[in-house]
Amino acid sequence: DADVTQTPRNRITKTGKRIMLECSQTKGHDRMYWYRQDPGLGLRLIYYSFDVKDINKGEISDGYSVSRQAQAKFSLSLESAIPNQTALYFCATSLAGPGNTIYFGEGSWLTVV
Amino acid sequence: KQEVTQIPAALSVPEGENLVLNCSFTDSAIYNLQWFRQDPGKGLTSLLLIQSSQREQTSGRLNASLDKSSGRSTLYIAASQPGDSATYLCAVGTARQLTFGSGTQLTVLP
Repeated sequence: DADVTQTPRNRITKTGKRIMLECSQTKGHDRMYWYRQDPGLGLRLIYYSFDVKDINKGEISDGYSVSRQAQAKFSLSLESAIPNQTALYFCATSLAGPGNTIYFGEGSWLTVV
Repeated sequence: KQEVTQIPAALSVPEGENLVLNCSFTDSAIYNLQWFRQDPGKGLTSLLLIQSSQREQTSGRLNASLDKSSGRSTLYIAASQPGDSATYLCAVGTARQLTFGSGTQLTVLP
């Protein structure tokens, strides 16, 4: 089983619909992240959480919300999806400290039509 | 705001060649720098992490260097193989987050 699991892996939704992407991890890490990847733009940070009570906006948080239900679970919601939110979404986890790398899930392809 | 640039955007080389991928960043006050590999439609796999106090890291045929003063990092791949074909991304870290470059798409031709 993967250490960082994202569901769903693929989703097509209509404009205006609410959609939730879920992430769970078995690595025991405190820190969890949601990134978005668009072609040619690299990864951009949407939200990050350092523990259950510590949630922070990233570079592109508008139109998104998150919930950290437990140390191991971090979900991303699009309250009213729009076509320019079509992208590949990644969840990631890490420990604190400069020597600790970040681990990514396999990604969730979201298409908004 | 930290900006991370990777040039070239794409690179094609014959098998067996040694190659260098480049990463530059605008703010030298970094925590660490990481290099990742991404296969098409897949997640990112960490290759090497260099802490801000370090100058280089090595893993097998890969060597990454960091020069904070000039805002540059390089990823050296020795004796490239077709299996090395992928997109390589660098990311610059602060204590709170990573900023990614847009990647270099590498194709190693048999």
